[in-house]
Formats: sequence, C-alpha cells, structure tokens
Amino acid sequence: DGGITQSPKYLFRKEGQNVTLSCEQNLNHDAMYWYRQDPGQGLRLIYYSQIVNDFQKGDIAEGYSVSREKKESFPLTVTSAQKNPTAFYLCASSKDRAHYEQYFGPGTRLTVT
Amino acid sequence: DAKTTQPTSMDCAEGRAANLPCNHSTISGNEYVYWYRQIHSQGPQYIIHGLKNNETNEMASLIITEDRKSSTLILPHATLRDTAVYYCIVRANSNDYKLSFGAGTTVTVRA
Repeated sequence: DGGITQSPKYLFRKEGQNVTLSCEQNLNHDAMYWYRQDPGQGLRLIYYSQIVNDFQKGDIAEGYSVSREKKESFPLTVTSAQKNPTAFYLCASSKDRAHYEQYFGPGTRLTVT
Repeated sequence: DAKTTQPTSMDCAEGRAANLPCNHSTISGNEYVYWYRQIHSQGPQYIIHGLKNNETNEMASLIITEDRKSSTLILPHATLRDTAVYYCIVRANSNDYKLSFGAGTTVTVRA
C-alpha cells in the first residue's frame, strides 16, 4: 500500500535533548511538509520541501531543522532551542505543483518533560 | 491566501445530510476552496476541492456560490465515522504548496 509513515507514534524526551521525527512516503511525491498541532488548535506549517535538497521555512520554523536528502524521506529535528516542543507533529506530501491535495501521515505525539 | 470563517461546532443526526458552511468573502479569482477533515488523533484527510463549479466525489459534495464568497460541504448521509473536525481552506495557485489550517468546525454525528 502506498502512503506516508511516521514513527514513532508516541515519543517522550527530556528537556534539552534534540529529537528527530521520521517521515517516509512511497507515493513518489515531490513535495513534503511538516505541521505542528497543539490541543484544540489548527495545524501550523513548520517546514516544507518542494524537491530533494531544497526546503523552506514555514510559519513556525524556529527551533526546528529538516533535511531532504532523498525524495521519500523528510525527517524533522526538534532542537533544544524550541521553547514548547510538546505537540502533535504531522507530516504530509503532495504530488507536485499541479496537485494541491496533501496526504497526511498518522502523526507523532511528542512529549517533552 | 484568503481567510475563511467556519462555525465552531455543529451536530448532525446519523443518516441525515450534514451541511457545513464556510465564508471566504475575500477570495480572489485564482483561489481554490479545499476541504479536509481530521478524525481525533489522526492526520487530516483530503475530502474535495473546487474553483467555481460544484463538485462531487464519493465522500461529499461541494457547493460554491456564484460570487464565490461562500461554500457548503455536504455529507449526504452522515455516519458516526464522519465525526471529525472539518477544515475549509482557500488557497491560490502560487509557487508554494502551503495549506493554512484554521480551527475548523467540529462536527458530531449523533445516533
């Protein structure tokens, strides 16, 4: 089955540690995205990538970093500089500029204490 | 991208049609209307999108007013599994792919 996988589903970390969230897609999509969702809120865009080896900051990129070395992978690192990292993180992909439908993974719920 | 306004919540009886309104009075000519939904603790799911004409697929129908300032998503026969937050998003055919998700409408389908 084609789709987007995120792992793990739940992640716990101590404050001050960097943590990397995995996102893999086998849909052959060019574009990939990371969103953050806080309780009762909508999604906010962290980073997006339109093509391999290229990515742009979204609305709330501070304290996060990404890489796009392969078309199918777009890992997100939550650094210790992120002041409020506890959230639900969602990865998505879309085919290309002509296709605006984004397909989402199941999400990773990160808790930092 | 144009801003959208949706009711915070609405209830619907199982088996009945659910009509979800969305206002986008500042929409411009090249902006599409998209609908997504998010079931609790899952990733959002694309439902439908349109520019001017009404659209229908296996999940829902999208009715866009002639002046394009508002639209309605119709779930023809709501089931309990349709309980979710529904997001109306307006987005232009621009060089980036961003979708701006607001708070959406929490739809509760009751038996």
